[in-house]
Amino acid sequence: QSALTQPRSVSGSPGQSVTISCTGTSSDVGGYYFVSWYQQHPGKAPKLMIYDVNKRPSGVPDRFSGSKSGNTASLTISGLQAEDEADYYCCSYAGSYTVVFGGGTKLTVL
Amino acid sequence: QVTLRESGPALVKPTQTLTLTCTFSGFSLNTRGMCVSWIRQPPGKALEWLAHIDWDDNKYYSTSLKTRLTISKDTSKNQVVLTMTNMDPVDTATYYCARIQTLRWYEFDSWGQGILVTVSS
Repeated sequence: QSALTQPRSVSGSPGQSVTISCTGTSSDVGGYYFVSWYQQHPGKAPKLMIYDVNKRPSGVPDRFSGSKSGNTASLTISGLQAEDEADYYCCSYAGSYTVVFGGGTKLTVL
Repeated sequence: QVTLRESGPALVKPTQTLTLTCTFSGFSLNTRGMCVSWIRQPPGKALEWLAHIDWDDNKYYSTSLKTRLTISKDTSKNQVVLTMTNMDPVDTATYYCARIQTLRWYEFDSWGQGILVTVSS
């Protein structure tokens, strides 16, 4: 269960869009439509933002969207706001009731 | 309202066994499909999944840590307990418990606040 690969950091200005990638293998991201994304502010617990690749839980703004192609999943945040500055983690089902997280991406809003 | 809260020691010595308790409310582990997981995060590092337990008492562990982990539940107390043996300084981390519904193993929809455990002599 190797961690999924995410860029260490991304940045964007308010109002812009940013995309965070999450690359795995055919045994995890590529093999299932079971990818979730979490937002984590400093000192806080993670918060579910996306599940099933592209579904948003109630209360999550529609500025957050997800997609997947092959072994890579992506989180796009449009209309960036200051409060979006946080760490983001992807998570994928990896078979046999196990899951694997990504290494995390720090989003900076310039 | 769903809440989860982790409790246990803040400091353990190398080679000791860590026991953490997750006390939850707002749902029942007697409900079909309901699960509780443990996830940890070393300071400044990424999240790492550790273990799940489901309503039917099925238990699943991270491959890399399975020999050291035991997860159990006490549904009468609304608690899930994780033990980790042979603690090492690299196990220093914030440990979170989280809820999963309907066996959606990758969808942690509610989290505890976490407990920082430091391993040091």
